[in-house]
Amino acid sequence: EVQLLESGGGLVQPGGSLRLSCAASGFTFSSFGMTWVRKPPEKGLEWVSSITARDDSTFYADSVKGRFTISRDSSKDTLHLQMNSLRADDTAIYYCAKGLIGAAGLADWGQGTLVTVSS
Amino acid sequence: QSVLTQPPSVSAAPGQKVTISCSGSSSNIVNNYVSWYQQLPGTAPKLLIYENNKRPSGVPDRFSGSKSGTSATLGITGLQTGDEADYYCGTWDGSLSAGVFGGGTKLTVL
Repeated sequence: EVQLLESGGGLVQPGGSLRLSCAASGFTFSSFGMTWVRKPPEKGLEWVSSITARDDSTFYADSVKGRFTISRDSSKDTLHLQMNSLRADDTAIYYCAKGLIGAAGLADWGQGTLVTVSS
Repeated sequence: QSVLTQPPSVSAAPGQKVTISCSGSSSNIVNNYVSWYQQLPGTAPKLLIYENNKRPSGVPDRFSGSKSGTSATLGITGLQTGDEADYYCGTWDGSLSAGVFGGGTKLTVL
């Protein structure tokens, strides 16, 4: 059974940083692309970032480019999202998902971790 | 404003059929697979359809997907009250080099 467990969310002041982690199990982590998706309050889903399996290529939404960094540690089956220069509009539930949206879709999702950016 | 356009809401009676459209462009839907997600209140999204029209194991055949040109459609037959949720389409946009979602459609089963 695929399991994805996010951690690292919390309350942070504008301009601050957070590092989200997603512990994966139940599949060969190194063989799959991985994705972060967020859902701001009262808004729809927003694709944030993806990392491929083949060569660790990374992709970002314009809204987070230059501030967020996605990475993976295949020795620990863990996905990370380093978030810097956080803004109020980054407030959202952040989900990690197995897969790439334009390929076979996002097949499995974690339960999400809440990030609140507020002073 | 989302790159992919969905109707904000649809509704139908139990047992009836509903379709949800997802309109895009040549840089996204035309040249990439479309997937559909269901998000029930307070839960994580769930994959309903991948590669335009395939259902993951465990998803009932009441759910179907199709794609034609710059649009995709999710169909749900035999509506149940438990289908009340937000539904999102998603794909890759080659011009943006980014994933994109539709704005979401709230399904109400009257």
